Amino acid sequence: GNSVTQMEGPVTLSEEAFLTINCTYTATGYPSLFWYVQYPGEGLQLLLKATKADDKGSNKGFEATYRKETTSFHLEKGSVQVSDSAVYFCALLIYNQGGKLIFGQGTELSVKP
Amino acid sequence: DAGITQSPRHKVTETGTPVTLRCHQTENHRYMYWYRQDPGHGLRLIHYSYGVKDTDKGEVSDGYSVSRSKTEDFLLTLESATSSQTSVYFCAISDGSNRGTIGETQYFGPGTRLLVL
Repeated sequence: GNSVTQMEGPVTLSEEAFLTINCTYTATGYPSLFWYVQYPGEGLQLLLKATKADDKGSNKGFEATYRKETTSFHLEKGSVQVSDSAVYFCALLIYNQGGKLIFGQGTELSVKP
Repeated sequence: DAGITQSPRHKVTETGTPVTLRCHQTENHRYMYWYRQDPGHGLRLIHYSYGVKDTDKGEVSDGYSVSRSKTEDFLLTLESATSSQTSVYFCAISDGSNRGTIGETQYFGPGTRLLVL
């Protein structure tokens, strides 16, 4: 079946530290891959996406590369800020009557000053 | 921000009562979705709609029904609420115009927090 696995949280970092949140997936066919972010008390916002192998999505200093050979889409940022504290969700999109998003369980990130 | 509103934003109800949540969009998008968010599970799809009066089940549809009589509104009904349906419910929309090329982006509403006592 289709599934997404993210690294367990919470992740606690100091400001300006390097961030990696691991995401691996299982899917039939060639899904699109997404990272969504959820700030406290809010809905989900799209952070970045990639639609085919070797594509790199980027936004707000975050990057992730679609690796078909390792079925991974790890999220990275070179220098995190306190304002990056949020829950991050990796997801894949199934193309079937409009597309269904399959989410990982989410990884909570806390950045300390 | 995509024009998506959800109502109510918070609701407390008792076991066995019916509950209806509303999602309203102003984007004229074709596709609409209902997800629930629970700790340790991420978001899971309940039902989705691919047009007026066209709906289908997601992975956790038991105990829920939906209706879409207008493009802009997608209703989620809990016929007889149970404590296991205590959750945060998110509506999402997508226009479906970019399938297979740049990929569909789903835009999410602010969520409804439901507590079933």
